Amino acid sequence: GQQLNQSPQSMFIQEGEDVSMNCTSSSIFNTWLWYKQDPGEGPVLLIALYKAGELTSNGRLTAQFGITRKDSFLNISASIPSDVGIYFCAGQNFNSGGSNYKLTFGKGTLLTVNP
Amino acid sequence: GAVVSQHPSRVICKSGTSVKIECRSLDFQATTMFWYRQFPKQSLMLMATSNEGSKATYEQGVEKDKFLINHASLTLSTLTVTSAHPEDSSFYICSAGSPGTSSYEQYFGPGTRLTVT
Repeated sequence: GQQLNQSPQSMFIQEGEDVSMNCTSSSIFNTWLWYKQDPGEGPVLLIALYKAGELTSNGRLTAQFGITRKDSFLNISASIPSDVGIYFCAGQNFNSGGSNYKLTFGKGTLLTVNP
Repeated sequence: GAVVSQHPSRVICKSGTSVKIECRSLDFQATTMFWYRQFPKQSLMLMATSNEGSKATYEQGVEKDKFLINHASLTLSTLTVTSAHPEDSSFYICSAGSPGTSSYEQYFGPGTRLTVT
């Protein structure tokens, strides 16, 4: 199936550093979501974005919905060891009158934080 | 709120046997459930969309006769891997949700690790 282009594939950083990752798509979405997955677990929703240009924060996490609707980025500030995991972006074209709620996932960014 | 459970968390089966995986929404009613498969170091790939009381919609390339999906109630969907083979070994994850007026959030289960020997 279709996938989003997510970069970087992996990052190795020191505790306290800021992190940035992004996703791009060839087609538009009306919703962008960012998930974190720990090993052997299901993804957990971090941030959901519903409007082009929207900038949303959740603690040390900040994400933006690109104005073109074809991209999104996620920033993590002052990283800590528990930020380790795989981060996935996902796009969705939710339509309350329709029936397609499918998510299209990026390939993920593996984040390693060295204490 | 919005808790989704899966059972079992891990299962090992012999080649040729069938395995059933359950997905339950514990504190909400899910009109739609989704089944994903995730191979090591890869992303989640949608297998099928399951709507309560109707037949599942399978993604291209997913064999509906091999991966049987039943969504008998608003809180339970099951995935049965029939005649499992080693290449079916994977991490299977379900998600559940219901549409709101302006959004549709999916809540993911913890996953089921299937190993076929």
